[in-house]
Amino acid sequence: DAGVIQSPRHEVTEMGQEVTLRCKPISGHDYLFWYRQTMMRGLELLIYFNNNVPIDDSGMPEDRFSAKMPNASFSTLKIQPSEPRDSAVYFCASSPWDSWNEKLFFGSGTQLSVL
Amino acid sequence: TQLLEQSPQFLSIQEGENLTVYCNSSSVFSSLQWYRQEPGEGPVLLVTVVTGGEVKKLKRLTFQFGDARKDSSLHITAAQPGDTGLYLCAGAKNAGNNRKLIWGLGTSLAVNP
Repeated sequence: DAGVIQSPRHEVTEMGQEVTLRCKPISGHDYLFWYRQTMMRGLELLIYFNNNVPIDDSGMPEDRFSAKMPNASFSTLKIQPSEPRDSAVYFCASSPWDSWNEKLFFGSGTQLSVL
Repeated sequence: TQLLEQSPQFLSIQEGENLTVYCNSSSVFSSLQWYRQEPGEGPVLLVTVVTGGEVKKLKRLTFQFGDARKDSSLHITAAQPGDTGLYLCAGAKNAGNNRKLIWGLGTSLAVNP
C-alpha cells in the first residue's frame, strides 16, 4: 500500500495567490481529515469527510479556506487568497475507523510558505 | 484551550538513558493514542490504549492509560538515537458520530549518541 499521498511537498507563494493542496487517501478508508500544524498551536483539525461527504468543517479558519472530496480517492484543500499567517504544514490523513480502534494514517504533509 | 497537556515540552538525553513523558487531561477519553513524528514527515501511530489501567509494551516503549482514563504516560527504556522525534498524544471521546481527536502539543525528544 502506498500510504496517503500529498502534493506538493513544498509550496512557496506570495500573499494573495491561490493555493491548492492535494491528497490521495489510502484505498478503502472511509474517513479523510485535513490538519494544519504549527509550533504554537500544534495539530489543528480543519475539516473531515466520511464517504466523501464533509462532516465537520468547524475548524476551517475562515471563508478563504475550502475543501472538496469529489471521489473516494482524491481531496483538495484550497486557500484563496492566501495570507502569511496561513504558513504552516498541512497534513491529510485517512482512517478506516471503527469504534474501538481508531487509526489515523498521515501523509508526509505540504509545507506552505506564504510570503 | 489545550485539553491535553504534554510534559515535558522538550527533552534532550544521552543514549542509554530512560525517560518518561506524560499526557494529562481533566477530561475522560474513550481511548488515547500515541504517535511519533519525525522531521519532515507525518505522525505515525505507535499504540492505542482503551481500558483504564491498561499497559502496552512496544519493544522498549511502555504505554500506560490512567485508571480514570484521563491521563497516559510513555516510558522509554535505554533510549536510542532512533527514538528521536516529536511524541504526540491524542484522545478520542467517541461521542455519537464525533470523529475528532483532541491533540496535545507534543514532547520533542532528542537522544544524543
